[in-house]
Amino acid sequence: DTEVTQTPKHLVMGMTNKKSLKCEQHMGHRAMYWYKQKAKKPPELMFVYSYEKLSINESVPSRFSPECPNSSLLNLHLHALQPEDSALYLCASSQENGYEQYFGPGTRLTVT
Amino acid sequence: KQEVTQIPAALSVPEGENLVLNCSFTDSAIYNLQWFRQDPGKGLTSLLLIQSSQREQTSGRLNASLDKSSGRSTLYIAASQPGDSATYLCAVSGFEAAGNKLTFGGGTRVLVKP
Repeated sequence: DTEVTQTPKHLVMGMTNKKSLKCEQHMGHRAMYWYKQKAKKPPELMFVYSYEKLSINESVPSRFSPECPNSSLLNLHLHALQPEDSALYLCASSQENGYEQYFGPGTRLTVT
Repeated sequence: KQEVTQIPAALSVPEGENLVLNCSFTDSAIYNLQWFRQDPGKGLTSLLLIQSSQREQTSGRLNASLDKSSGRSTLYIAASQPGDSATYLCAVSGFEAAGNKLTFGGGTRVLVKP
């Protein structure tokens, strides 16, 4: 099973809201990733977790706060977002950092 | 800084024709290269991964080659079908002090006409 699940599929939030995106995998992978993808653009890396510790933060604004509560779960907490943050947010996992990455279906986020 | 380029940005072929998708990268010090497929509004599906020590990788109708010295990879899809219509992305994994991260090309949007 190479499945990465993401919830919710769609999210609409106002600029003052607080919401969270959830990502889950049960493949025993020890590396998990958050990407942001704007329309007709390639994914851009936001964060990398390796063995439940944040190893890469691509200078992402603090209104995005990642969390890895355990080896199967990755959250992205959202607060005070801007309309330009509207995008498809993709989660991925790999056996270890640097190995083949498997992506989830994404969460389509709209900030109003 | 690694830069990955995919040319052309879009490609249209009749059904049955072989597809040739190109990917080039500027820094040959890569860990591996991965090809993905993305349907509109969906996540990425991993197609093939080529380790830096490999020259090619095959899966069914797909064959990917890697020439690290020239900074190029090519994805061949034999006997294309309308279901192959999608955007194809290549991504290279490089060595960083903090870990490996994928750098994506801009993608090639493929349309296979029946």
